[in-house]
Amino acid sequence: GENVEQHPSTLSVQEGDSAVIKCTYSDSASNYFPWYKQELGKRPQLIIDIRSNVGEKKDQRIAVTLNKTAKHFSLHITETQPEDSAVYFCAASKVNFNKFYFGSGTKLNVKP
Amino acid sequence: GAVVSQHPSWVICKSGTSVKIECRSLDFQATTMFWYRQFPKQSLMLMATSNEGSKATYEQGVEKDKFLINHASLTLSTLTVTSAHPEDSSFYICSARPFTTNTGELFFGEGSRLTVL
Repeated sequence: GENVEQHPSTLSVQEGDSAVIKCTYSDSASNYFPWYKQELGKRPQLIIDIRSNVGEKKDQRIAVTLNKTAKHFSLHITETQPEDSAVYFCAASKVNFNKFYFGSGTKLNVKP
Repeated sequence: GAVVSQHPSWVICKSGTSVKIECRSLDFQATTMFWYRQFPKQSLMLMATSNEGSKATYEQGVEKDKFLINHASLTLSTLTVTSAHPEDSSFYICSARPFTTNTGELFFGEGSRLTVL
């Protein structure tokens, strides 16, 4: 099956700084890559996703980049705010969405 | 957005007993639901894919006889942990996506904390 690796496991940044979380995947057939945010005590929620036919996608302060050749993708959060503090998960799936494999998570702490 | 409800949210049982966890999609139908086990260090490990009207597909290393999955309707999947042992203590979370959409967004249940004494 697919193997998704995520780094770093914890990340601490000052409010206003940028945060970058990186993931790699092993199955070249994977072509859909979502990112989920899980706040403390809450369920994971989708924040952004990217399909393999594009290299970058932005949504306000959040962006995701994808390098298919290297099989890695990254989440970029700019101008971080304390409410961005949460655990972030990357995932990989195929176009039929019949399985989703998650990375191990990154605990982001934004210090005010 | 779509809502997935999981029950119970927490359960304590004695070693050797069986525990059933339900996952319901409240406002959409799902032909497929996913069961994950979330470990203390955060990772979401895919255990199995629950398929409506057919057998579940299990990930390598997951015992199908221990973790029984049933997906009897388009809105309900159940996970039964049979003959539970302390090492089965964990947080189990389900997810689903509406089969009528072409997006990949998963909607998660609130999770079930299992403690086996």
